[in-house]
Amino acid sequence: RKEVEQDPGPFNVPEGATVAFNCTYSNSASQSFFWYRQDCRKEPKLLMSVYSSGNEDGRFTAQLNRASQYISLLIRDSKLSDSATYLCVVNSGTGGFKTIFGAGTRLFVKA
Amino acid sequence: DVKVTQSSRYLVKRTGEKVFLECVQDMDHENMFWYRQDPGLGLRLIYFSYDVKMKEKGDIPEGYSVSREKKERFSLILESASTNQTSMYLCASSRTGGYQPQHFGDGTRLSIL
Repeated sequence: RKEVEQDPGPFNVPEGATVAFNCTYSNSASQSFFWYRQDCRKEPKLLMSVYSSGNEDGRFTAQLNRASQYISLLIRDSKLSDSATYLCVVNSGTGGFKTIFGAGTRLFVKA
Repeated sequence: DVKVTQSSRYLVKRTGEKVFLECVQDMDHENMFWYRQDPGLGLRLIYFSYDVKMKEKGDIPEGYSVSREKKERFSLILESASTNQTSMYLCASSRTGGYQPQHFGDGTRLSIL
């Protein structure tokens, strides 16, 4: 079993749709969680951290469920520019050394 | 904003050459990382460093070495390049602490012929 697992997709959604991605992790001692966005042939960029109480940044909402060991990302009112790969990232080491990247979920938003 | 700069966006080298990839960060981050990313395999950690002159092997260190002589600079060295090292190489940095995200450079697309 992979340490961090994501549905690879692709998710094909129309503009304006709401789409959700889940990510599961295997290490119950994991400390911190992030969502990154990666455009084709570009570097991953931090989208948002994921806090225990859940957090929102504009159209994006991230949630953490420690009991079930998964995190989620919800995108409301999808835009064409949201088309990208979304990477789930989990930190397990105290120094931030044990960082595991999920393989990513591909999203296509179409007009 | 964090700035992580990689020396080249695209690089073409020949089999057997010694290849140097340079990475510089301007945010005084303690940790620096080198990854490679290949289709279907995601990001794989090659080496990381948590302090000057310190280095730790990642998941796929074979065929690579690193150097960190200054805090802001982390170099990846392909001792004798081979075609299976053709890949996208990504450098990242972060502050120490389990709650710190990593910040990436633009990447170097390396082709070994």
